[in-house]
Amino acid sequence: GQNIDQPTEMTATEGAIVQINCTYQTSGFNGLFWYQQHAGEAPTFLSYNVLDGLEEKGRFSSFLSRSKGYSYLLLKELQMKDSASYLCAVSLMGYSTLTFGKGTMLLVSP
Amino acid sequence: DSGVTQTPKHLITATGQRVTLRCSPRSGDLSVYWYQQSLDQGLQFLIQYYNGEERAKGNILERFSAQQFPDLHSELNLSSLELGDSALYFCASSVDTTDGYTFGSGTRLTVV
Repeated sequence: GQNIDQPTEMTATEGAIVQINCTYQTSGFNGLFWYQQHAGEAPTFLSYNVLDGLEEKGRFSSFLSRSKGYSYLLLKELQMKDSASYLCAVSLMGYSTLTFGKGTMLLVSP
Repeated sequence: DSGVTQTPKHLITATGQRVTLRCSPRSGDLSVYWYQQSLDQGLQFLIQYYNGEERAKGNILERFSAQQFPDLHSELNLSSLELGDSALYFCASSVDTTDGYTFGSGTRLTVV
């Protein structure tokens, strides 16, 4: 089976930097995705990592260490609209389905 | 608008009933995925169709079934509904997973 762990909740202040961690245990790991989901809305794609290292996309960056089964999503210059749930998901080699973690609810305060 | 269309947006029905949820994928996407999201379980994969054929199955109950039609739209049928089936049901589509899925806006099912 697969096991994906993320913190349940995090809080941060507007303008700050926050790092959301995700650890996974799975065989046949292929890649890791991050999605953002506002309450009651559809998840939207943020990033995809298949190789070790950091991928930067504007205010958001995502890091992957395959050997450690670890990823993080880094959000800089936090804005109120970043308050949302952040979902970590893994894909396995040979399969196109994604398995999601339970998500981390981020609350950004003024 | 993500390009993935789900109908209806909201559905309220009684226990024991049967409902059908509909999904039209983004133009050009051959894969359709169905997920169930409840408060305590997160996003749970139900089933995937690729170009009309079942490709993968997840935690889908025997009371649930799905199909994908020649025009690539998909339907998820939920029968003998129970209170615990109340959840958000998302459909997603993709060309391949390197770009991730694109999700529809979901159907909120309430069983009373």
